[in-house]
Amino acid sequence: GDSVTQMEGPVTLSEEAFLTINCTYTATGYPSLFWYVQYPGEGLQLLLKATKADDKGSNKGFEATYRKETTSFHLEKGSVQVSDSAVYFCALMGAQKLVFGQGTRLTINP
Amino acid sequence: NAGVTQTPKFQVLKTGQSMTLQCAQDMNHEYMSWYRQDPGMGLRLIHYSVGAGITDQGEVPNGYNVSRSTTEDFPLRLLSAAPSQTSVYFCASRTTGDTGELFFGEGSRLTVL
Repeated sequence: GDSVTQMEGPVTLSEEAFLTINCTYTATGYPSLFWYVQYPGEGLQLLLKATKADDKGSNKGFEATYRKETTSFHLEKGSVQVSDSAVYFCALMGAQKLVFGQGTRLTINP
Repeated sequence: NAGVTQTPKFQVLKTGQSMTLQCAQDMNHEYMSWYRQDPGMGLRLIHYSVGAGITDQGEVPNGYNVSRSTTEDFPLRLLSAAPSQTSVYFCASRTTGDTGELFFGEGSRLTVL
């Protein structure tokens, strides 16, 4: 069945560092792909998405490119801030439902 | 601008007790769903609904019941709570179509003793 695998956390970085969170998926066909973010004490919210191969989703300085050759959707940001500290979830749209990875906790130190 | 509203935010139950987690959305979304979030396991789908009167099972449906009598409401029922159901529960909704963004409630933290 459909599945999503994320790099294990937690990830701790210093402010202004470069961020990569790896995400790979297994699915039939070419599903839409998503990154969601969960700030402490809140529900998840959509960060960015891509609906077809080679699409790049971007938002708030974060980017991810849909790579069908490597079945990947890695999240990147050039210069992280303390306010980016959160849990990040990669997800794909399967049949009628979103399938999530296990989440990666990111902590940014000043 | 309420979005998805869940109640209660916190609940403690004893083993064997029953309860209902409420979920309401004001965005006229056809699709509604319930997830549970456990450490190291991400979010797992419990039940979902594609419209009033239609429900289906997700990945982990055992021990939970749902119904969808209106477009707005999608309650989750625990008939006989077990410690394994200790978790954070999220309700989410979206429009139909495979590119639809999921809108989440703030979560309900349930502890079963």
